[in-house]
Amino acid sequence: KQEVTQIPAALSVPEGENLVLNCSFTDSAIYNLQWFRQDPGKGLTSLLLIQSSQREQTSGRLNASLDKSSGRSTLYIAASQPGDSATYLCAVYTGNQFYFGTGTSLTVIP
Amino acid sequence: DAGVIQSPRHEVTEMGQEVTLRCKPISGHDYLFWYRQTMMRGLELLIYFNNNVPIDDSGMPEDRFSAKMPNASFSTLKIQPSEPRDSAVYFCASSLGLFGGYTFGSGTRLTVV
Repeated sequence: KQEVTQIPAALSVPEGENLVLNCSFTDSAIYNLQWFRQDPGKGLTSLLLIQSSQREQTSGRLNASLDKSSGRSTLYIAASQPGDSATYLCAVYTGNQFYFGTGTSLTVIP
Repeated sequence: DAGVIQSPRHEVTEMGQEVTLRCKPISGHDYLFWYRQTMMRGLELLIYFNNNVPIDDSGMPEDRFSAKMPNASFSTLKIQPSEPRDSAVYFCASSLGLFGGYTFGSGTRLTVV
């Protein structure tokens, strides 16, 4: 069964710092991987989607990479801002099921 | 568009009672998802529909849970009978295409006492 792990569970950084969030999965047979952002009391916002054939995707200050063979993905946030404070989740889709990580809670300190 | 609308926002019910959660997706979206979020298990996909047809319900925890989508603008998630361990935040989301931009509702916080 696919297991998705996110480390660290919580991260606190000063504003302006570049940071990396990690996501690992146990079964490399995935269709794609997504990164989401969740703000307190709200639903999820889709940030980036990487197909299994892709190595990375970029959107603004965000860059997500995928190494399917090693079962890892990273979300890179450049020049972090207090508004980036949220919980970030990754999810893999295997072709018939979605599996979510437990998230990394990010706090960017002004 | 007002986004994905879920009701109620909060629900407190006694164990054994039937609970019905409601969702109105964004008009034109062809996929609808029901998720459950708890501290212990994180975010779980329960079921999703494509054009009102259930595609994958493998995440539905037990037969006490059922979901319907009678038309493109309405879906329900029903728990009967409810149990304290069902307490969670239940999210509905819709998208255009399976991996189109998801829009989530604000969730329903269910407490079963």
